Amino acid sequence: DAGVTQSPTHLIKTRGQQVTLRCSPKSGHDTVSWYQQALGQGPQFIFQYYEEEERQRGNFPDRFSGHQFPNYSSELNVNALLLGDSALYLCASSRGPTGTGGREQYFGPGTRLTVT
Amino acid sequence: GESVGLHLPTLSVQEGDNSIINCAYSNSASDYFIWYKQESGKGPQFIIDIRSNMDKRQGQRVTVLLNKTVKHLSLQIAATQPGDSAVYFCAENDGYSTLTFGKGTMLLVSP
Repeated sequence: DAGVTQSPTHLIKTRGQQVTLRCSPKSGHDTVSWYQQALGQGPQFIFQYYEEEERQRGNFPDRFSGHQFPNYSSELNVNALLLGDSALYLCASSRGPTGTGGREQYFGPGTRLTVT
Repeated sequence: GESVGLHLPTLSVQEGDNSIINCAYSNSASDYFIWYKQESGKGPQFIIDIRSNMDKRQGQRVTVLLNKTVKHLSLQIAATQPGDSAVYFCAENDGYSTLTFGKGTMLLVSP
């Protein structure tokens, strides 16, 4: 049974560039959430996708956008990268959105983004 | 210890000791709680969860205690092993919003 997978593992970008991160949920899961984790901090919620729509969003600017595909996989896009966007980006999947009982979330290994 | 800036509270124990990691949550409407373990360079790993209609739940070598009166959660690890060394996060959910994570506690286990 495959767990949550993310790609790439590491990424280095320059300020102002754009980046796309990818996530495949755990088998049987249909909901994907994205989190940003700065060094020494807990994960901060970015947004959640269910049925190919953004269902919830945290306190992140519009530079952060996403997409969910019919096979439940998801992408996180960040435009106009800032130095402060350097972090570990985590994808978590669940069976159903967190607002309706799908609250046991399983995390992927993350993508380490460094912005120089 | 106190959490100051980027410094995580740290709990240092000897192998074989029991460890207790504490967490204070903020939302009185939260009714679901999860403990995660995060090793260096990896994503958080689910350890155990508890719903608000319970005050104790046991897993393999781990026990979670919930005190809703003071909004406090604890994770007890029995016979702590070097492989338990990691950062531990508690997360809360009120059934409407997404998971909210606490600051984390670093557990260091000495052989």
